[in-house]
Amino acid sequence: EVQLVESGGGLVQPGGSLRLSCAASGFIFSTYSMNWVRQAPGKGLEWVSFIMSSSSAMFYADSVKGRFTISRDNAKNSLYLQMNSLRAEDTAVYYCAPGVGWPPRLEHWGQGTLVTVSS
Amino acid sequence: DIQVTQSPSSLSASVGDRVTITCRASQDLSNYLAWYQQKPGKVPKLLIYATSTLQSGVPSRFSGSGSGTDFTLTISSLQPEDVATYYCQKYNSAPYTFGQGTRLEIK
Repeated sequence: EVQLVESGGGLVQPGGSLRLSCAASGFIFSTYSMNWVRQAPGKGLEWVSFIMSSSSAMFYADSVKGRFTISRDNAKNSLYLQMNSLRAEDTAVYYCAPGVGWPPRLEHWGQGTLVTVSS
Repeated sequence: DIQVTQSPSSLSASVGDRVTITCRASQDLSNYLAWYQQKPGKVPKLLIYATSTLQSGVPSRFSGSGSGTDFTLTISSLQPEDVATYYCQKYNSAPYTFGQGTRLEIK
């Protein structure tokens, strides 16, 4: 069974930093691309970032480009999102999701971790 | 970047009704369009991918159609458990943009 457990969320001041983690199990993590998707309170889904299985390519939404960095450690079956220069509009639940097939669709989602950016 | 426009933003229908939600892209998606269902307080669930392929375990009353830039999600006979917000997503190339969502309620 695929399991995805996000962690690292919390309250942070504007301009601050936070690092999210996603622990994956139940599938061969090193062979799957991975994504971060977020959802602001009461709002829709927003795709944030993607990383290839080998970390050979990463993509970002324009809204986070230059501030967020996606990475992974295949030896630890873990995905990360380093978030810098955080803004109030980054407040959201952040989900990790493996990309299935190519191009990648999102068949499995974690339960998410809440990031709140506020002073 | 390719823009994705979903409509309507909300919809109210009766049990047993046929319901249609549309998604329009600003460029050809080569049929790489997916639909997700998110029930209140729950994680999104993949319903349909590649325009019309039903994800395993999804009831057959859900179907997808379309091509190029215009796509449709249809629920053939609305059930009470279908109350949710539905999102389309383009995944032909990054950015993998979602539509704005359609909130579906029972009349």
